[in-house]
Amino acid sequence: AQSVTQLDSQVPVFEEAPVELRCNYSSSVSVYLFWYVQYPNQGLQLLLKYLSGSTLVKGINGFEAEFNKSQTSFHLRKPSVHISDTAEYFCAVIPSPPSGGSYIPTFGRGTSLIVHP
Amino acid sequence: DAGVIQSPRHEVTEMGQEVTLRCKPISGHNSLFWYRQTMMRGLELLIYFNNNVPIDDSGMPEDRFSAKMPNASFSTLKIQPSEPRDSAVYFCASSGIPGGPAGELFFGEGSRLTVL
Repeated sequence: AQSVTQLDSQVPVFEEAPVELRCNYSSSVSVYLFWYVQYPNQGLQLLLKYLSGSTLVKGINGFEAEFNKSQTSFHLRKPSVHISDTAEYFCAVIPSPPSGGSYIPTFGRGTSLIVHP
Repeated sequence: DAGVIQSPRHEVTEMGQEVTLRCKPISGHNSLFWYRQTMMRGLELLIYFNNNVPIDDSGMPEDRFSAKMPNASFSTLKIQPSEPRDSAVYFCASSGIPGGPAGELFFGEGSRLTVL
């Protein structure tokens, strides 16, 4: 079984400042890692994912994340945030290869990023 | 592609009434998920279908909840009878093009349910 911990439930930050949203996971097998973003009154959408290869992954809207296997972390970063980045961010993992062909993801509780002008 | 389509977007009903939420997954996807999102409990997986077959329904709260997937392009989540504690946003998500991107879920816009 897998578990995902998002250490911060809320992260307030000023516009144009850098931000890091933390994600740690626990798993007995290798995993694929994902970050999703949820804007108000919308569904979740994929921000970026790590499947294999380079541990630094770039996603949409200037976000990037780094997979650290030894620390079982997949922190999300952006060097300069905008007001429009205000949203809920979810980290998720699935086992790799999928267990029995199943892609059931395990989600973290989410981190609310609040960008102030 | 139109994405995952859910209906209704908003539903207000009275306790004891039956509620049916509908989902049309992305064409070609072979996995479908129903999630419930609340402030208190976050995002909870209710049920997972693979190739129209329910694989994991351990998240279904109780017998009042049922889900079906009669074909690859349609699924329903039914609550009968509904209770105020069922008030939440219900999301449908699909994934799993064979040979395609591994594990990415595509979410619908959600159905916001309020039970009075």
